[in-house]
Amino acid sequence: DAKTTQPPSMDCAEGRAANLPCNHSTISGNEYVYWYRQIHSQGPQYIIHGLKNNETNEMASLIITEDRKSSTLILPHATLRDTAVYYCIVRVANRDDKIIFGKGTRLHILP
Amino acid sequence: KAGVTQTPRYLIKTRGQQVTLSCSPISGHRSVSWYQQTPGQGLQFLFEYFSETQRNKGNFPGRFSGRQFSNSRSEMNVSTLELGDSALYLCASSLVGSNNEQFFGPGTRLTVL
Repeated sequence: DAKTTQPPSMDCAEGRAANLPCNHSTISGNEYVYWYRQIHSQGPQYIIHGLKNNETNEMASLIITEDRKSSTLILPHATLRDTAVYYCIVRVANRDDKIIFGKGTRLHILP
Repeated sequence: KAGVTQTPRYLIKTRGQQVTLSCSPISGHRSVSWYQQTPGQGLQFLFEYFSETQRNKGNFPGRFSGRQFSNSRSEMNVSTLELGDSALYLCASSLVGSNNEQFFGPGTRLTVL
């Protein structure tokens, strides 16, 4: 079973920030939080990952709470091309365990 | 650098047949994982190969098998196809020793009639 819980769907207006929450209350100390997204008819695409500090890259920012039991993926200026299913996953980095995907959040960007 | 490639992209088979899907990882990537994606079950892990050895396995029946070649290319095989095997089969490769960022291919859409 997936170790994360996400809302099934969310809407966001184009140009606004999209904030996608994820709960991972049973996360272990050595597990990272990874985010992927899957645009229709394509394979999942890596977005970002982090352990406990907030992370930012050219695609998104990842905010992890101090107790590490939840996190938020932020797309700062959502565009229509960000419409996708977003998956939050926890796993140990540098160890090749199988990835268990949950149901993800279907993000709809509204024009 | 070329991405992960999968062939064929689309496939139609009938019940009882068998099928072989192919995946070529990104050059230099030695880990290849396979996933099945269906509308009802979402993305489910099938198995993972590294250096021609299966390292992890998901909860699928023995009809699902795979292998990896010395050049890291991988194949998966499904025997005695069932209607429920209709799905998008995704392959992902990763660079072992990195932060395990997986790069996914476009998938093979299998339809079983």
